[in-house]
Amino acid sequence: QKEVEQDPGPLSVPEGAIVSLNCTYSNSAFQYFMWYRQYSRKGPELLMYTYSSGNKEDGRFTAQVDKSSKYISLFIRDSQPSDSATYLCAMSSSRAGKSTFGDGTTLTVKP
Amino acid sequence: GAVVSQHPSRVICKSGTSVKIECRSLDFQATTMFWYRQFPKQSLMLMATSNEGSKATYEQGVEKDKFLINHASLTLSTLTVTSAHPEDSSFYICSAISGRSDTQYFGPGTRLTVL
Repeated sequence: QKEVEQDPGPLSVPEGAIVSLNCTYSNSAFQYFMWYRQYSRKGPELLMYTYSSGNKEDGRFTAQVDKSSKYISLFIRDSQPSDSATYLCAMSSSRAGKSTFGDGTTLTVKP
Repeated sequence: GAVVSQHPSRVICKSGTSVKIECRSLDFQATTMFWYRQFPKQSLMLMATSNEGSKATYEQGVEKDKFLINHASLTLSTLTVTSAHPEDSSFYICSAISGRSDTQYFGPGTRLTVL
C-alpha cells in the first residue's frame, strides 16, 4: 500500500465550478502538507502549504487537513481554464525534509 | 520568489553515454537539494537527497553508481546519469530547500531521452 493515495481523476469541470481534490495517507508522522500544481512538461509549483490540522485559504484556493482521518483536500472556487493542470499532494514529517507525493490528479476546466 | 534553474532543459543522447544535469538555486543558498524522476502520467519519485559537502543519500532501489550526485556548493548540485540506457529516459526534476524559509522550490525539470 502506498503511503499517499490521491484520487486519480482525471477531472473535467465547466468554468466557474468548485473543484475538490483529495488525498489520504497512512503515515501518522506526516506533519506538513503541500499542494503543487504542475503544467505539462514543467516542474511543480507550490500552491498551498499547511502545518498540522486545519484550514488555510489563499484567494480561490482552500486547503484542509484532517489528521484524525488522515485526509487532506484542496478546493478551488470559481475554477478557470488556466487552472487546468495536474495537482499533486505531498507530505513530509519535517519542514525541510523529503516529501512523499501522491500520483496526481489531472484537472481540465472547460470554458 | 526563490528560483531554481536546471540545465539543460532537454537532452537526447545515445545509449552508453553519460549525461550531466545541473541544478542551481539562483537567489538563495540551499544546504539540501533533492533529485526526483517522473515518468509520464506518474508522480515524482525521490531518487536521492543531496547535502552540500557530504555524500548523497539514495532511496531504496536507486543505483548510486549509475546516478552520481555532487553537491559542491550551496547553490549547485549535479546529477550524472552514467552509461545511460533507453529505460533511463525520463523527466528529472530537482528541488532546493531555502535555508531561510525551509520551503522546497522546484526546478523546471530536464527531459532526458536515450536512444
